[in-house]
Amino acid sequence: DQQVKQNSPSLSVQEGRISILNCDYTNSMFDYFLWYKKYPAEGPTFLISISSIKDKNEDGRFTVFLNKSAKHLSLHIVPSQPGDSAVYFCAASAAGNKLTFGGGTRVLVKP
Amino acid sequence: DTEVTQTPKHLVMGMTNKKSLKCEQHMGHRAMYWYKQKAKKPPELMFVYSYEKLSINESVPSRFSPECPNSSLLNLHLHALQPEDSALYLCASSFGTSGRSFSNEQFFGPGTRLTVL
Repeated sequence: DQQVKQNSPSLSVQEGRISILNCDYTNSMFDYFLWYKKYPAEGPTFLISISSIKDKNEDGRFTVFLNKSAKHLSLHIVPSQPGDSAVYFCAASAAGNKLTFGGGTRVLVKP
Repeated sequence: DTEVTQTPKHLVMGMTNKKSLKCEQHMGHRAMYWYKQKAKKPPELMFVYSYEKLSINESVPSRFSPECPNSSLLNLHLHALQPEDSALYLCASSFGTSGRSFSNEQFFGPGTRLTVL
């Protein structure tokens, strides 16, 4: 049973536009959510996180939104840059437990 | 020093070999993790060490044996692996288990690409 799902396996966006990545979860015990970016042949790089007590967290070009009632979070990247082309994983954790990753979304930013 | 290092980068081994993967961090993190990642799949947790003690084993076969010699080092000893164990093995670390979230932000190494023949 996949507790964290990223339903879009890929996303293509023009440079300068907004990239919106979505993530849904089923476990209501999750209280902390993270986004990671991964280039080929490298480990995932932490991007941004959000606690369940918040509904928005912003860091530069990256903003994460959390809708607890819908069990949905999203990552907005604006403006998108060619260097943002990578696979993005959302992950969730419950207190005293492990990270559960979604399946990833491959983002391609076209110049 | 804000990185997690892993050696070797690539490893090819036969099914009868014994080898070890190494991971090191100097960020003062007290939790360290081993993950396995197959192509086009998310990372899957294998082991968690908290304050140098094994706290989570995700029902990993005994041919994988983790070791945490000190707070900065994490090893994964491999013996009698199968070809289906070929994958990218990722090490990660985080500040630890304090606070509301066990995992906090985990910092990943570049991984070891393992091929079992």
